Amino acid sequence: GAVVSQHPSWVICKSGTSVKIECRSLDFQATTMFWYRQFPKQSLMLMATSNEGSKATYEQGVEKDKFLINHASLTLSTLTVTSAHPEDSSFYICSARGTTFYEQYFGPGTRLTVT
Amino acid sequence: GQQVMQIPQYQHVQEGEDFTTYCNSSTTLSNIQWYKQRPGGHPVFLIQLVKSGEVKKQKRLTFQFGEAKKNSSLHITATQTTDVGTYFCAGSSNDYKLSFGAGTTVTVRA
Repeated sequence: GAVVSQHPSWVICKSGTSVKIECRSLDFQATTMFWYRQFPKQSLMLMATSNEGSKATYEQGVEKDKFLINHASLTLSTLTVTSAHPEDSSFYICSARGTTFYEQYFGPGTRLTVT
Repeated sequence: GQQVMQIPQYQHVQEGEDFTTYCNSSTTLSNIQWYKQRPGGHPVFLIQLVKSGEVKKQKRLTFQFGEAKKNSSLHITATQTTDVGTYFCAGSSNDYKLSFGAGTTVTVRA
């Protein structure tokens, strides 16, 4: 199957700083990438959908100025958590789909801890 | 918006037994996908169902899509310890976004 990488796998940052998370599709061109947030023992909550070369579409309740998403190429999308606070601590997972399949391939996730 | 409900939330199974997890959508879906997430891991795609009434099998796993395309089920026979994890259904309309169910977390006792 298709492979999606995510970096970093975990990060600890201080409150008020910004953190960038990268999501890459390694062996296919990802026309659409998705960013999810997952709390412990809970389901995946879609934060935003990003299409290459256009602005991301955010789900209701997700602050676009706080969670900046850039999908600059067909293989890379980034999520920047700006002015992070402890309540932003979570597991962030990206996924990607190509042009020829419906399913999404997930990255390994990034565990963010804000102190 | 679209909501996908999944039950049960937890399933504790004796090794060798069968179990089923169920998924229901508030709206008609264009397709439904199933994913498995192992403890500490990320969701891994299992299968996609598109057609009304569709049934697909993967070894001991049987997936069904309801006639109205609003519900789905995953049935696992002869559960093994390798089946441990959380199984998510995820429904999609035509915009390719997935709405995930709450997941069924499966534990197996030997």
